[in-house]
Amino acid sequence: NAGVTQTPKFRVLKTGQSMTLLCAQDMNHEYMYWYRQDPGMGLRLIHYSVGEGTTAKGEVPDGYNVSRLKKQNFLLGLESAAPSQTSVYFCASIPRVHGELFFGEGSRLTVL
Amino acid sequence: SQKIEQNSEALNIQEGKTATLTCNYTNYSPAYLQWYRQDPGRGPVFLLLIRENEKEKRKERLKVTFDTTLKQSLFHITASQPADSATYLCALTYANNNDMRFGAGTRLTVKP
Repeated sequence: NAGVTQTPKFRVLKTGQSMTLLCAQDMNHEYMYWYRQDPGMGLRLIHYSVGEGTTAKGEVPDGYNVSRLKKQNFLLGLESAAPSQTSVYFCASIPRVHGELFFGEGSRLTVL
Repeated sequence: SQKIEQNSEALNIQEGKTATLTCNYTNYSPAYLQWYRQDPGRGPVFLLLIRENEKEKRKERLKVTFDTTLKQSLFHITASQPADSATYLCALTYANNNDMRFGAGTRLTVKP
């Protein structure tokens, strides 16, 4: 039972490049979340999903897109990376609303 | 907009003492308030959840209180140990919402 797995763990991009972060969970959870974490800012919610085929915006959605085509996967895309998107990205899932979050180990993204 | 404030960025205490961390929020009270622990380079790990209608929750050396009048939660670690050194995050969810918002965290250091 792997829990929540994020790939890749590290990535360096140039400004304007695109990329996709993959989050996979094997716990059959309904809800999935993408956060970014910056020093002194805590975790800020980017987008989330309450089930397969659904997505919703969080606090800081601009510059990101997401898709939840399969229940176990939640993809976070950057169409045109900017230095302000340099951050550590965390994916999390819960089995139902208002439950405890299970986090992945994070993906560190640097945009030059 | 809703704000979540954790009282201090860093807290240093001596081994054996009780650590008390604060989480304050503005506006309306959440349905659930949770506390997470995060170690450097790792994803947050769930510790405790307390509901709006609960005053106190305990788990081993951990205790959480929730005061909706003061709009505050206190997180206590009794008989603290150096292994308790980590960043502690509070997170709020609301009855009419599916997302979860975090405070910036408090970095606790327990000195031997």
